[in-house]
Amino acid sequence: AIQMTQSPSSLSASVGDRVSITCRASQGIGNDLGWYQQKPGKAPKLLIYAASTLQSGVSSRFNGSGSGTDFALTISSLQPEDVAAYYCLQDYNYPWTFGQGTKVEVK
Amino acid sequence: EVQLEESGGGLVQPGGSLRLSCVGSGFTVNSNYMSWVRQAPGKGLEWVSVIYSSGSTYYGDSVKGRFTISRDNSNNTVYLQMSFLRAEDTAVYYCARKLNNYDDLWGQGTLLTVSS
Repeated sequence: AIQMTQSPSSLSASVGDRVSITCRASQGIGNDLGWYQQKPGKAPKLLIYAASTLQSGVSSRFNGSGSGTDFALTISSLQPEDVAAYYCLQDYNYPWTFGQGTKVEVK
Repeated sequence: EVQLEESGGGLVQPGGSLRLSCVGSGFTVNSNYMSWVRQAPGKGLEWVSVIYSSGSTYYGDSVKGRFTISRDNSNNTVYLQMSFLRAEDTAVYYCARKLNNYDDLWGQGTLLTVSS
C-alpha cells in the first residue's frame, strides 16, 4: 500500500499567517490527491482535488500544489474558521490511503 | 435534497457481525462510485472500501476478507457487511460519494462499537 506521510501533525499559528501542510507519498501518484478539512464532530469536506483544483465554494485562501510524491496544502491567511484537522488522500491505486492528519489551531 | 444517510451502527461483541446501510436521496447510488471511510475515536481517517457503478469493489488491507460492500439499486442503498469484528474496528463509519472528486458528498456517520 502507498503510505502518505503528512506533516506536521499539528500546528498553531496566528490569524493572518500563511501556513503549509505537506504530504509525501511512498511512490509516485501523479496528481491523484485530495485535501480534506474536518471540523470536530463533522464529516470531512473536500477542499482540493487533483492535487491543485479548488473545490467549488471553497475559499481561495486554500491552495494545493505538487505532483508525483510531494504535495502541499497552503492556507494563505489563516482565519479562525480554519481551525480543523486536515487530511490528504491518494486515490492513485488501491488501497486508497489517507495521511495521518494535521490539526490546525489559532494562537 | 441530495444527501446520504448512514444507519446500522451499534454495540457488537468481538467476533460478531453487523451490516451498515447508506441510503442516497436526490441522486442514484448505482450511477456513482461510493465509498466507506471510518474514523476511530480521536484518530484519523481510514479508507475502508469502494464500489463502482460497474460493481467492482476494493478494500483496505485491514478489512479485506472480513468486510463486504454491496449495493441495492431498488432501495438506492449501499451496504457494508462486517464480520469477524475486532475492537480496532470501533469507529464512526462514513459513507461518501466520489471521493477526491468535485462531486463530493458525505453522510453524517454511524458509530460502531466493538466490545464485550
